[in-house]
Amino acid sequence: QVQLQQWGAGLLKPSETLSLTCAVYGGSFSGYYWSWVRQPPGKGLEWIGEINHSGNTNYKPSLKSRVTMSLDRSKIQLSLKLSSVTAADTAVYYCARRSGVGEPFDRWGQGTPVTVSS
Amino acid sequence: SYEVTQALSVSVALGQTALMTCGGNNIESKNVHWYQQKPGQAPVLVIYRDSNRPSGIPERFSGSNSGNTATLSISRAQVGDEADYYCQVWDRSTSRVVFGGGTKLTVL
Repeated sequence: QVQLQQWGAGLLKPSETLSLTCAVYGGSFSGYYWSWVRQPPGKGLEWIGEINHSGNTNYKPSLKSRVTMSLDRSKIQLSLKLSSVTAADTAVYYCARRSGVGEPFDRWGQGTPVTVSS
Repeated sequence: SYEVTQALSVSVALGQTALMTCGGNNIESKNVHWYQQKPGQAPVLVIYRDSNRPSGIPERFSGSNSGNTATLSISRAQVGDEADYYCQVWDRSTSRVVFGGGTKLTVL
C-alpha cells in the first residue's frame, strides 16, 4: 500500500521561502503525476501544480512565478518550494498522486500546516 | 478558465438520501471525481470518473454526470457521513486541476 508522508517548516515570516518534502513509501514515481494541493483555513482545496514521473512540471498560472517542484529519484521524494510567501499562503499543504491526466487523486499525504506571520 | 460550482451546504435527515451537485459547462464531457474530507484529515476519494467507487467505499455512495451537473448521492445517510465533499475535474483546455468549492454535509 503506497503511503505519502510529508514534512517541512510550519512557521514562516513574510518574504521567506516555503519548503516541503513528500516521501513515497511502498511505490515509485513511474507512471504517476504528483501534485501539491493547499487548503487555507476554513476554505476549499486549491491545486498548486504537479510534476510527472519524467520531471515535467505544470503550475497554476497565478503561482507559477513563485513555485518550484522537483523529484529526488534516489530517495523517492518530491519537494515543493514557494518563494516570497505572504499571509495569503497560510494553509495546509498536501501532496497527492494521480495515475494520469484526468484521473483522480488516489493517494494523499497527511497534510502539513504552514503559517506565514511576522 | 473552467469553473465548477457546489452548494455551500446540504442537510439530510438520518437514513435519507443526500444529494450534492457539481455544476459546470457541459460537465458531462469531463470525468468528475468526488472527495470526502473530515475535519483535520486529508481528502479521501469516494467516487471517480463520475460513478465508480474505489474499494472500501460503501455502496451507499454513488455518482452520476449529465448535462451541466454531476451528482454525488449518499443513501441511508449516517452521522459518520458528515464531512465536506469536493468535486474535481481536469480542464484539458488549460491543463489545470479544478476543484469545486466544497459542500458541507450535515446529517440531522
